[in-house]
Amino acid sequence: QVQLVESGGGVVQPGRSLRLSCAASGFSFSNYVMHWVRQAPGKGLEWVAVIWHDGGNKYYADSVKGRFTISRDNSKNTLYLQMNSLRVEDTAVFYCAREIPSGSFSWFDPWGQGTLVTVSS
Amino acid sequence: DIQMTQSPSSLSASVGDRVTITCRASQSISSHLNWYEQEPGKAPKLLIYVASSLQSGVPSRFSGSGSGTDFTLTINSLQPEDFVTYYCQQSYSTPHTFGQGTKLEIK
Repeated sequence: QVQLVESGGGVVQPGRSLRLSCAASGFSFSNYVMHWVRQAPGKGLEWVAVIWHDGGNKYYADSVKGRFTISRDNSKNTLYLQMNSLRVEDTAVFYCAREIPSGSFSWFDPWGQGTLVTVSS
Repeated sequence: DIQMTQSPSSLSASVGDRVTITCRASQSISSHLNWYEQEPGKAPKLLIYVASSLQSGVPSRFSGSGSGTDFTLTINSLQPEDFVTYYCQQSYSTPHTFGQGTKLEIK
């Protein structure tokens, strides 16, 4: 079945780096646009970044631009999020999600189970 | 960026009630509006896409409507498993912004 599994979360000090991974299975990963979305403790969902199916286009939320880099390895069916210069306010559960296109419309399905990133000294 | 405003932020209701959650976009997004539900500690799950299309497997008591800037999610005959948090999301343009969420609580 279609599945996304995130990994790489943990506790990290402010200013340090962390790389998240999202392993995809059950579908043709290289055919889909992929997103990262995060959720701070007790807060709502915040879109973080998107990458085109071939990695040719990438977009970021202003809150992470210049610090985070989204990438993918279609040969490994894996999505990545490199997070540098981490801040306390980056503490969140990070989800990866597949974008389903239909004409000009799209939606996210499925989502991974999430991986918790805690930035603390 | 397009801002999405959900109301109310929380809602108390009883099993069997009918409830409506609204979502307003800061500019017209046609029907590029999706709804998700999220249980505590779990990932969001797609409920409705393109404003009114029910995702496979979602009970028919859920329905969505609207276009342009104003949208609604209606749940008829609330069941115990419906007392979770709901989010709207616009997919008209990047960033694909979310509403702040509506937590449905048992009265």
